Amino acid sequence: DTAVSQTPKYLVTQMGNDKSIKCEQNLGHDTMYWYKQDSKKFLKIMFSYNNKELIINETVPNRFSPKSPDKAHLNLHINSLELGDSAVYFCASSGRANEQYFGPGTRLTVT
Amino acid sequence: SQKIEQNSEALNIQEGKTATLTCNYTNYSPAYLQWYRQDPGRGPVFLLLIRENEKEKRKERLKVTFDTTLKQSLFHITASQPADSATYLCALQYSSASKIIFGSGTRLSIRP
Repeated sequence: DTAVSQTPKYLVTQMGNDKSIKCEQNLGHDTMYWYKQDSKKFLKIMFSYNNKELIINETVPNRFSPKSPDKAHLNLHINSLELGDSAVYFCASSGRANEQYFGPGTRLTVT
Repeated sequence: SQKIEQNSEALNIQEGKTATLTCNYTNYSPAYLQWYRQDPGRGPVFLLLIRENEKEKRKERLKVTFDTTLKQSLFHITASQPADSATYLCALQYSSASKIIFGSGTRLSIRP
């Protein structure tokens, strides 16, 4: 009965590769997010989707492309991975008061 | 641009005491201010939300205050326990449609 799940939990890959992270929520929320948490623990929003439509797109490189096939899913595809992309990526969905429900995170390591 | 500062990077207190964490912001006041708990290797967990027209919110041993004059929110854990040890993040939002901005967190350690 996991509320927000994401896969994989760990991702180790080489520079230049393309990878995807999947996210699913079973809370019935309309809005989903991708956040990046760097080594200094700053949690920064990347994208937000409401009912499959992009509503927030922070200054994220074009190599990052979110896709929402339906309102319960928000995937993140990253092209041409760089060393600086190494971080923990969190998916989240939001409740009525915009409180965020986070997934367990995906630790991405680019070597 | 808006800045959020959580004054202490780390706070170490004795079990049973009240832990008080501070969140300061610059510029204009947000409509909503939220507090989260994050344990190592896990995603943040929502704790409390307070609106700009509210001065205080409580939930069990937790209390949050919001002072728009001081541009500050305080987060209190009374009768602290070792299990309360975690990183606590504050986050603010200017309207229900705007993005949420997180602070860098305060790592709280409660020693027995």
